[in-house]
Amino acid sequence: EAGVTQFPSHSVIEKGQTVTLRCDPISGHDNLYWYRRVMGKEIKFLLHFVKESKQDESGMPNNRFLAERTGGTYSTLKVQPAELEDSGVYFCASSASPGGSNSPLHFGNGTRLTVT
Amino acid sequence: DQQVKQNSPSLSVQEGRISILNCDYTNSMFDYFLWYKKYPAEGPTFLISISSIKDKNEDGRFTVFLNKSAKHLSLHIVPSQPGDSAVYFCAASRSGGYQKVTFGTGTKLQVIP
Repeated sequence: EAGVTQFPSHSVIEKGQTVTLRCDPISGHDNLYWYRRVMGKEIKFLLHFVKESKQDESGMPNNRFLAERTGGTYSTLKVQPAELEDSGVYFCASSASPGGSNSPLHFGNGTRLTVT
Repeated sequence: DQQVKQNSPSLSVQEGRISILNCDYTNSMFDYFLWYKKYPAEGPTFLISISSIKDKNEDGRFTVFLNKSAKHLSLHIVPSQPGDSAVYFCAASRSGGYQKVTFGTGTKLQVIP
């Protein structure tokens, strides 16, 4: 079984530019999550998709961030325009059932975003 | 407001000895707790979990203890091995429905051969 894959693994962009991160969850996993870790801090929840619907987007920092999951398969997270504080590692995770007690999250290796 | 706290950023332990990683939480609604392990340049991987109806769960060398009254949990690794060197994240959630998982800041464990 292929794991969660994320692309790109690294991205360096200038402030004000746009970046799009992609996540391919494990096949058949309806639940897809985006998390972010800023250097040395907690892995912070951004949002949760159930199939193509946004179940919870309470962690999205502001309207510069847009997540989509058209067709309920892969997901993209776009940051436009990027700011310095957006730097960090963006993790995508998926699970067959809602994460936590129902089933553990399976994480991708993350995209390291650096905004200069 | 950080609801899951790991106050020790790092821990060094000799190979063969016990590693104890601690975690505190503030949200009394949490009733399911997990530990994830993360190697450099990789995503976190699930290690072990415990429900609030238990106070201990064991899986091989890994045991998680839960003290609900103190809102505290710990992960014990016995015996520690060099391959256990990684960052360990404590996480918590509420059971039922679509509940997000809240993570701590992580503790970097170094097991010295």
